[in-house]
Amino acid sequence: DTEVTQTPKHLVMGMTNKKSLKCEQHMGHRAMYWYKQKAKKPPELMFVYSYEKLSINESVPSRFSPECPNSSLLNLHLHALQPEDSALYLCASSQASGRIYNEQFFGPGTRLTVL
Amino acid sequence: QKEVEQDPGPLSVPEGAIVSLNCTYSNSAFQYFMWYRQYSRKGPELLMYTYSSGNKEDGRFTAQVDKSSKYISLFIRDSQPSDSATYLCAMSLSYNQGGKLIFGQGTELSVKP
Repeated sequence: DTEVTQTPKHLVMGMTNKKSLKCEQHMGHRAMYWYKQKAKKPPELMFVYSYEKLSINESVPSRFSPECPNSSLLNLHLHALQPEDSALYLCASSQASGRIYNEQFFGPGTRLTVL
Repeated sequence: QKEVEQDPGPLSVPEGAIVSLNCTYSNSAFQYFMWYRQYSRKGPELLMYTYSSGNKEDGRFTAQVDKSSKYISLFIRDSQPSDSATYLCAMSLSYNQGGKLIFGQGTELSVKP
């Protein structure tokens, strides 16, 4: 199984809502990532978890809160978002040893619209 | 100056053409080089992964890395309409960076039947 799954596929939320994005992989990968991608732009790294511990936070606003409950699951909790946070949110995973960090496998993404 | 430069296109070619996609970079410490393909409204798919300089071939795809010129290329032979997508180059430093990839802007490719 070489798949990263993400739910939901689409999400529309108001600025006062709280919602969560979910990501799952069963490849035995111990590094998991959240990226944000705007239209016609490359993915921007938000967070990296390595062995279930947060290892990189790219100065992301606190209205985005990541969580890694176990080695297969990654969540992104959303609260009080702004319209400019509307984007495709991508999850990725990779092995976490040596250079293999770099072979990242992406999920299909959650398309988020903030009204 | 961006760390990684990639012509956004769009690039339009006839079916069967050889496609050349390129990225240049400024940081000579990059050691790992990747090409991703992204179809519209989908997540990026890892196509090619190379370490340091040299060539790597996989079917119709060939990746080249020239570290002396800070230049990487992806060649697609016998291009097909199904190759129409955005192609993103990505690179990273040593593994100690913990998986931080630096992406190019992406080149939008259209292969016409």
